[in-house]
Amino acid sequence: DVKVTQSSRYLVKRTGEKVFLECVQDMDHENMFWYRQDPGLGLRLIYFSYDVKMKEKGDIPEGYSVSREKKERFSLILESASTNQTSMYLCASSFRAHHPGELFFGEGSRLTVL
Amino acid sequence: GNSVTQMEGPVTLSEEAFLTINCTYTATGYPSLFWYVQYPGEGLQLLLKATKADDKGSNKGFEATYRKETTSFHLEKGSVQVSDSAVYFCALVNYGGATNKLIFGTGTLLAVQP
Repeated sequence: DVKVTQSSRYLVKRTGEKVFLECVQDMDHENMFWYRQDPGLGLRLIYFSYDVKMKEKGDIPEGYSVSREKKERFSLILESASTNQTSMYLCASSFRAHHPGELFFGEGSRLTVL
Repeated sequence: GNSVTQMEGPVTLSEEAFLTINCTYTATGYPSLFWYVQYPGEGLQLLLKATKADDKGSNKGFEATYRKETTSFHLEKGSVQVSDSAVYFCALVNYGGATNKLIFGTGTLLAVQP
């Protein structure tokens, strides 16, 4: 089975701190994604990557950056956390040869910024 | 633009009741349609999909038919169980757009009572 692992299930940070959210997948998927999930807004795409060292902005990239130095790992970085970034963050991956709508998700990282 | 609209939740049903969760979409081109499910404390997982008009996706007793004439992809199940309690997301990928990104609805919470 595909496994997408997010390093932290729950984090509490203070305003202005730098935050790293890590995601690792074990199925050699080319594509990786970061979403945030908020009540009433569904899932919104922050950034995605189709290959190592490649990244593309999603719908809400402001305040975030990403890093993909290895194929299996995709990191989301909040350079200076703010309270409006309190949310559930979901990482996903997919195989390029498969249908682009078939994503495998991690369990999520719930971030609270105080 | 491309968008997905789902019925507002929560939907509360008794065990063995019939379930319908409405989903309509707006898209140019030829979208593929999906239902994802998120069980409590877990990430999203693909429930079913349909890639062209009149296709029916099915899995775990759930069904949805791609209706191009009404731009709908309603999720149905004949007899729900307590274990079906989850958040259900309708989503689309539109091949006519600039990138093959998955666009989600806002999610519908289903609560099944024994």
